Amino acid sequence: DGGITQSPKYLFRKEGQNVTLSCEQNLNHDAMYWYRQDPGQGLRLIYYSQIVNDFQKGDIAEGYSVSREKKESFPLTVTSAQKNPTAFYLCAIEGFTGELFFGEGSRLTVL
Amino acid sequence: AQSVSQHNHHVILSEAASLELGCNYSYGGTVNLFWYVQYPGQHLQLLLKYFSGDPLVKGIKGFEAEFIKSKFSFNLRKPSVQWSDTAEYFCAVNAPGTYKYIFGTGTRLKVLA
Repeated sequence: DGGITQSPKYLFRKEGQNVTLSCEQNLNHDAMYWYRQDPGQGLRLIYYSQIVNDFQKGDIAEGYSVSREKKESFPLTVTSAQKNPTAFYLCAIEGFTGELFFGEGSRLTVL
Repeated sequence: AQSVSQHNHHVILSEAASLELGCNYSYGGTVNLFWYVQYPGQHLQLLLKYFSGDPLVKGIKGFEAEFIKSKFSFNLRKPSVQWSDTAEYFCAVNAPGTYKYIFGTGTRLKVLA
């Protein structure tokens, strides 16, 4: 969806470094999500946020952190504690009619 | 806990063949159901959704899905596939009023011209 912007599109990281993935939306939606996509494993929920200053762990939150200081922004930090961070990361918002809209994704590769 | 199973991981069809992709979920209560598609190099898009009412749901590009409550299934169908349907397809479930959307592992469809 054009109203969700993820950056960067591609990111390379050395082991031991933290990296932050950006997700911005201009659609005024409350709920935002971070998913991780790996081949053969589908999408797995990392974190989600229903409102500003509140967020909940998903199924695979270990090694990740988020913040929600502004309604339009939900950045994801992949920390050095994440043992296998190479993946495709997807940000989504929940639409007003109950479906998710996704950004174009960020591909993180650990060297 | 909710879960979604997509048993077909890879499907290869010739153009004009009929398609049916399986999706089963485990959850005892009311659910919202979705099919998403990811074309090569593109972001995930909604194909169709079921919240309530007619269990046969029609979506974009000629796709449809049928919700069978007794079988906990929401299979995706298309009578005649095209080469442009080559993509990965994901089934997802959400319990109304919650914020968790659970996805299946996806089915990669390849349509041969």
